[in-house]
Amino acid sequence: DTGVSQNPRHKITKRGQNVTFRCDPISEHNRLYWYRQTLGQGPEFLTYFQNEAQLEKSRLLSDRFSAERPKGSFSTLEIQRTEQGDSAMYLCASSQTSGGVDTQYFGPGTRLTVL
Amino acid sequence: AQSVTQLDSQVPVFEEAPVELRCNYSSSVSVYLFWYVQYPNQGLQLLLKYLSGSTLVKGINGFEAEFNKSQTSFHLRKPSVHISDTAEYFCAVSDLPLRRNQGGKLIFGQGTELSVKP
Repeated sequence: DTGVSQNPRHKITKRGQNVTFRCDPISEHNRLYWYRQTLGQGPEFLTYFQNEAQLEKSRLLSDRFSAERPKGSFSTLEIQRTEQGDSAMYLCASSQTSGGVDTQYFGPGTRLTVL
Repeated sequence: AQSVTQLDSQVPVFEEAPVELRCNYSSSVSVYLFWYVQYPNQGLQLLLKYLSGSTLVKGINGFEAEFNKSQTSFHLRKPSVHISDTAEYFCAVSDLPLRRNQGGKLIFGQGTELSVKP
């Protein structure tokens, strides 16, 4: 068990470019969450998957954002036509649900800077 | 709608002193409560969680928290802090799942920066 990993750790891009982040959850965890954290704020929920199904999306997730988890393992988060307001830390978390509450384990995050 | 308020944005304290980080939540349903810690340039690490049962919850690194339903609070405490406890602390709430596939997304407070001075 190596924990949740995220790549890249840092990404600098120019406004208007597309970026993609990857999250590898803890093995056998069936749920995967994406959060966004801006400076001085707590993380905000974006979306989550149970296995390969995307079951909930936040209103924060505009149509420029898309997330996938094609085989129920790793997930990607893509931002198209990036804007300066997209600059933030993007956090991934995974959990194994057993019918009740699940405990989420977080990765180190991907810090995005849009110039 | 659920919300979490962390009453102090910054808490400076001297080493070996006790500390309390305050958290209040608002929810119309039963909730689960969590405290996470975030060290610089790292992800969040779970300190402790309240699911049900005893209202006093013990976590890692000597931290504990008390769930108070009447005051809708979940304050985090440590009797004696170390320099290494310097970090950002987040309180979070999650709904009790009502449906099988209903997610347990976390709603976080804005965080409290704990600064431990020698």
